[in-house]
Amino acid sequence: GAVVSQHPSWVICKSGTSVKIECRSLDFQATTMFWYRQFPKQSLMLMATSNEGSKATYEQGVEKDKFLINHASLTLSTLTVTSAHPEDSSFYICSAAGRGTTEAFFGQGTRLTVV
Amino acid sequence: AQSVAQPEDQVNVAEGNPLTVKCTYSVSGNPYLFWYVQYPNRGLQFLLKYITGDNLVKGSYGFEAEFNKSQTSFHLKKPSALVSDSALYFCAFFHTGGFKTIFGAGTRLFVKA
Repeated sequence: GAVVSQHPSWVICKSGTSVKIECRSLDFQATTMFWYRQFPKQSLMLMATSNEGSKATYEQGVEKDKFLINHASLTLSTLTVTSAHPEDSSFYICSAAGRGTTEAFFGQGTRLTVV
Repeated sequence: AQSVAQPEDQVNVAEGNPLTVKCTYSVSGNPYLFWYVQYPNRGLQFLLKYITGDNLVKGSYGFEAEFNKSQTSFHLKKPSALVSDSALYFCAFFHTGGFKTIFGAGTRLFVKA
């Protein structure tokens, strides 16, 4: 299957700072990328969907100004957690899908800890 | 709303015994169904998928799943469980209309030696 690389795999940041997570499709063009959040022992909740060159579509209840998503190219999407607080600590996973595909491919996830 | 359901929060099985992790779906049109496994503090690992064709799908690590249209189910099975199979399992479908993957709540599998 196609490869999606997510970086970093883990990050610790101080409360009030911002942190950026990158998601890259390595061997295909990802027309659509997705960001998920996973709380401990829970399922993956879709946060937002982004199409290359367009503004992201956020799911209900997700703060657009808190979680900034950029999908500037067909191989890269970034999630920036702005003014992070301890409650933003979570496991974030990205996925990517190409045009006309029947599945999305997932990154390895990023464990964010805000102290 | 279209969804997948995993009715069991946890499944316990003895090593060497067959295992089944249940999933039912409510999806309009042709369902694109998936099973993923997640080990602690790790990302998702793809196990298998059903897009079309043979109802019995064989996947990674000896897992298989049977697509049953009449029962709207897609249960994950393995003939002989290993302790190393202990993990969190997610059933999911790819929503071609919204072009996104929707996950079930997850089932934690414990395989006891």
